[in-house]
Amino acid sequence: QVQLRESGPGLVKPSETLSLTCTVSGGSISSSYWSWIRQPPGKGLEWIAYIYYSGSTNYNPSLKSRVTISVDTSKDQFSLKLSSVTAADTAVYYCASGILGATTGVDYWGQGTLVTVSS
Amino acid sequence: QSVLTQPPSVSAAPGQKVTISCSGSSSNIGNNFVSWYQQLPGTAPKLLIYENYRRPSGIPDRFSGSKSGTSATLGITGLQTGDEADYYCGSWDSSLSSGVFGGGTKLTVL
Repeated sequence: QVQLRESGPGLVKPSETLSLTCTVSGGSISSSYWSWIRQPPGKGLEWIAYIYYSGSTNYNPSLKSRVTISVDTSKDQFSLKLSSVTAADTAVYYCASGILGATTGVDYWGQGTLVTVSS
Repeated sequence: QSVLTQPPSVSAAPGQKVTISCSGSSSNIGNNFVSWYQQLPGTAPKLLIYENYRRPSGIPDRFSGSKSGTSATLGITGLQTGDEADYYCGSWDSSLSSGVFGGGTKLTVL
């Protein structure tokens, strides 16, 4: 069974760049799509982006200008960078396998990591 | 405002049945697969239903999914107190070129 684990700073200053990494185990990263999803405290889920192991990507239009997602198949990791953060970017960030709307859905999720944007 | 519309809350007694609706449009539910997620308090979401109605291994058949036109429905029978959670539908919106979720539905088992 695929397992995912997010890592990165839990506190980011306003206007700086949020950087998170997801480490995949129990399966090959070179076989699926990989997604980032976030959830502000007390609110619903928001899809951020997905990447295919080959490197093709798709971003949420509302975040596209600030988001970069990448994959490192040699390390079984994929990463998220969100620039120019504000308090509105405070959320639990989840990495996951699969993509919305496709046959599998988002089938495996990491435990999530809370990122707070504050000075 | 979410692209997919769900009722904010539903409730039912233990042992009863409940349905949760998810309404969209031809650019999302109407032409893409729907999946459903259960989020127990303080935990990550878990896939309940994929490809509109299929259940991953380990998901009991008390949970069912269906889709008709631009709407989807999650059904839960034999409600248990352990089913109290937030439930989300998700799909792809071809016009937005974006993944989309419903706003979530809080299930209370009275």
